[in-house]
Amino acid sequence: EVQLVESGGGLVQPGGSLRLSCSASGFTFSSYVMHWVRKAPGKGLEYVSGISSNGGNTYYTESVKGRFTISRDNSKNTLDLQMSSLRAEDTAVYYCVKDDCTNGVCYLGYWGQGTLVTVSS
Amino acid sequence: QSVLTQPPSASGTPGQRVTISCSGSSSNIGSKYAYWYQQLPGTAPKLLIYRDNQRPSGVPDRFSGSKSGISASLAISGLRSEDEADYHCATWDASLSGWVFGGGTKLTVL
Repeated sequence: EVQLVESGGGLVQPGGSLRLSCSASGFTFSSYVMHWVRKAPGKGLEYVSGISSNGGNTYYTESVKGRFTISRDNSKNTLDLQMSSLRAEDTAVYYCVKDDCTNGVCYLGYWGQGTLVTVSS
Repeated sequence: QSVLTQPPSASGTPGQRVTISCSGSSSNIGSKYAYWYQQLPGTAPKLLIYRDNQRPSGVPDRFSGSKSGISASLAISGLRSEDEADYHCATWDASLSGWVFGGGTKLTVL
């Protein structure tokens, strides 16, 4: 059974930093692209970042470029998101998401339960 | 402001059929597959429809997806109280080179 368990969320002041982690099990972690997606209060889902299966390629949405860094450790089956220079608008539940692929078409398949990040003074 | 446009709310009575729309553009819905996610209160989003109209194993056939041009739709027939949830559409945007979502539709079962 696929399991994605996020941790590291909490309350942080504007300008501060936080590191989110996602522990994966139930599948061959090193074979899958992984993502972070967030949902701010009262808003829709927003794609944040993605990383290729070997970690060699990364993607960031424009609003987090230069502030967030995605990484993975395939030996430990973990996905991380280092967040710095945090802003109030980064307040959201952050979800770790596993890619799924069918006949060569890949999509956001399985979602973890999420971890809440609150940026406030 | 979400890239894809969904109605913020929808409602129906038990047994009814409801549809939720998702409008985009030629760079996303118009040229890429549409996906739908169900988010029950207090839980994570769960894949409901993939590749426009395919249901993952375990999703009841009461749920169906369709697409025409730059719009996609999710239909729920035989509405049940347990269908009360937020529904999100998503797709890949070729211009933005990233996944984009709708603002979500809150479905109320009256």
